[in-house]
Amino acid sequence: QVQLVQSGAEVKKPGASVKVSCKASGYTFTSYDINWVRQATGQGLEWMGWMNPNRGNTGYAQKFQGRVTMTRNTSISTAYMELSSLKSEDTAIYYCARGGNITPEYWGQGTLVTVSS
Amino acid sequence: DIQMTQSPSSLSASVGDRVTITCRASQGIRNDLGWYQQKPGKAPKRLIFAASTLQTGVPSRFSGSGSVTEFTLTISSLQPEDFATYYCLQHNTYPPWTFGQGTKVEIK
Repeated sequence: QVQLVQSGAEVKKPGASVKVSCKASGYTFTSYDINWVRQATGQGLEWMGWMNPNRGNTGYAQKFQGRVTMTRNTSISTAYMELSSLKSEDTAIYYCARGGNITPEYWGQGTLVTVSS
Repeated sequence: DIQMTQSPSSLSASVGDRVTITCRASQGIRNDLGWYQQKPGKAPKRLIFAASTLQTGVPSRFSGSGSVTEFTLTISSLQPEDFATYYCLQHNTYPPWTFGQGTKVEIK
């Protein structure tokens, strides 16, 4: 069965960086884009960007340009999302989701990132 | 980018009620839209894709309709486990994905 398992919760200070992982199983990792979506407490879902695990090419929402980097390690079927220059407003749950031009069915369980001094 | 306007932002309803949630796209997206249910602390769960196709395992009281710019999620008879937040998502112009703002369905 398809699964996306994310890394655990993180607590970071303002200005620091965080790297969240998303390990895929149950399908061919390079066959589907991985997208990242975040959700601040009590807020809606916000798309951050996408990565093609086969070619490694990426695209980011304008809001995150210059601060976000999405990478992958195909040997271990894992995608990564790194967000730098963290601010308190980046406190949120970060999700990875499988898919591209489809309504994504498979999501990771979410990773809570807390930014606090 | 395409904007998705979802309404209402919240509603109060009773068990057994019929509930309708709407998403409007700022431009035509064919039927490239899905609906999600999200409960606190959980990832979104896909209910509907391709505007009207019910996800396997989702109760038939959920239905989706519409195309181009107007879309509707209907719960025909609200059940206690349906109290949650619902989101639409369009992928016609992927990337990006664009979500509606969400509708919180609360107990009356």
